[in-house]
Amino acid sequence: ILNVEQSPQSLHVQEGDSTNFTCSFPSSNFYALHWYRWETAKSPEALFVMTLNGDEKKKGRISATLNTKEGYSYLYIKGSQPEDSATYLCAFGPLDSNYQLIWGAGTKLIIKP
Amino acid sequence: DAGITQSPRHKVTETGTPVTLRCHQTENHRYMYWYRQDPGHGLRLIHYSYGVKDTDKGEVSDGYSVSRSKTEDFLLTLESATSSQTSVYFCAISESSGAANTGELFFGEGSRLTVL
Repeated sequence: ILNVEQSPQSLHVQEGDSTNFTCSFPSSNFYALHWYRWETAKSPEALFVMTLNGDEKKKGRISATLNTKEGYSYLYIKGSQPEDSATYLCAFGPLDSNYQLIWGAGTKLIIKP
Repeated sequence: DAGITQSPRHKVTETGTPVTLRCHQTENHRYMYWYRQDPGHGLRLIHYSYGVKDTDKGEVSDGYSVSRSKTEDFLLTLESATSSQTSVYFCAISESSGAANTGELFFGEGSRLTVL
């Protein structure tokens, strides 16, 4: 059974602080790793799709790294703002089932003003 | 924003009744997906489609069927709804030049279904 774990489950961060959280996935059978941001009462929106070991992607104050050999990805947010409050989801795409994405349960980030 | 609309957005029904949820896209994307989202779980794939009339099962397909007769429409049917199918259902679309799971997903707004 493929399992994707995200930690922590929730996180409270002071406005202006930087933070990061983790997505762990099976290191074998890797094809793709996705990150999504999901604001309350909205739909998930894609942040990054990564496919190469060592990949680093950045969008504004948000960045992500990928280590496929050890099976983890980090999402970093620099200088957190209230609008960063959301649940951040990661999803693992296995090589042998290339239509599938296996989703983590998410990290809920709350930014305190 | 990607043009994806789901209907109905909210529905309350009784156990044993059929229910159909519709996903409509205006992006001409090849891949379409139905997910359900329940507290404490990640999104779980019910069914997906990789083209007109081409569909396959996801990890939680029991009790659900789908149809895709046109590129733009992907229907999810619960033949006989049960209380365990109370959930929020999300449609998603994607396009990829490689494997389907390398294309970012664009999600609809969700359909909240309550089965009494």
